[in-house]
Amino acid sequence: DTEVTQTPKHLVMGMTNKKSLKCEQHMGHRAMYWYKQKAKKPPELMFVYSYEKLSINESVPSRFSPECPNSSLLNLHLHALQPEDSALYLCASSQMGAANTGELFFGEGSRLTVL
Amino acid sequence: ILNVEQSPQSLHVQEGDSTNFTCSFPSSNFYALHWYRWETAKSPEALFVMTLNGDEKKKGRISATLNTKEGYSYLYIKGSQPEDSATYLCADYNTDKLIFGTGTRLQVFP
Repeated sequence: DTEVTQTPKHLVMGMTNKKSLKCEQHMGHRAMYWYKQKAKKPPELMFVYSYEKLSINESVPSRFSPECPNSSLLNLHLHALQPEDSALYLCASSQMGAANTGELFFGEGSRLTVL
Repeated sequence: ILNVEQSPQSLHVQEGDSTNFTCSFPSSNFYALHWYRWETAKSPEALFVMTLNGDEKKKGRISATLNTKEGYSYLYIKGSQPEDSATYLCADYNTDKLIFGTGTRLQVFP
């Protein structure tokens, strides 16, 4: 199984809602990542978890809250988002921790629209 | 160069043409350079991870070269096919982060 599965594929939420994005991999990878991608821009790193511990937070606003319940799962909790947070959110995993040269395996992304 | 830059932004070629595009990245503190292929409505897939100056990697009709001293990598596609149509992203692994370029969007017409 070389898949990274993200749910939901599409999410529409209001600015007062609380929702979560979920990501799952069963490749035994120990590093997991959240990237945000807006149209015609490169994917931007948000968070890195290495061995289930948050190792990188790219100064992401606290309305985004990551969680890594175990080595296979990565969540992104969303609360009080703004319309400019609308984007494609990509999850990825890699075999080793953050300081490695291994390829990333990506999910198909969750397309978020904030009204 | 402070960012990862890719050129051209988009490219339209005829089936059978060979093509190439460029990725420029900071040459200081180099660690690794990744290439990914991203088809519409699918997930980005790794093509190559390159670490050594002068390295050349090949996968079928696609190959890539790396110059870490001057900070650039080329991706070549020989005999483009319509199924090669995708966005090709490069990413520089630097200071513990993988930083992506904006990509080159390739369309191959039959």
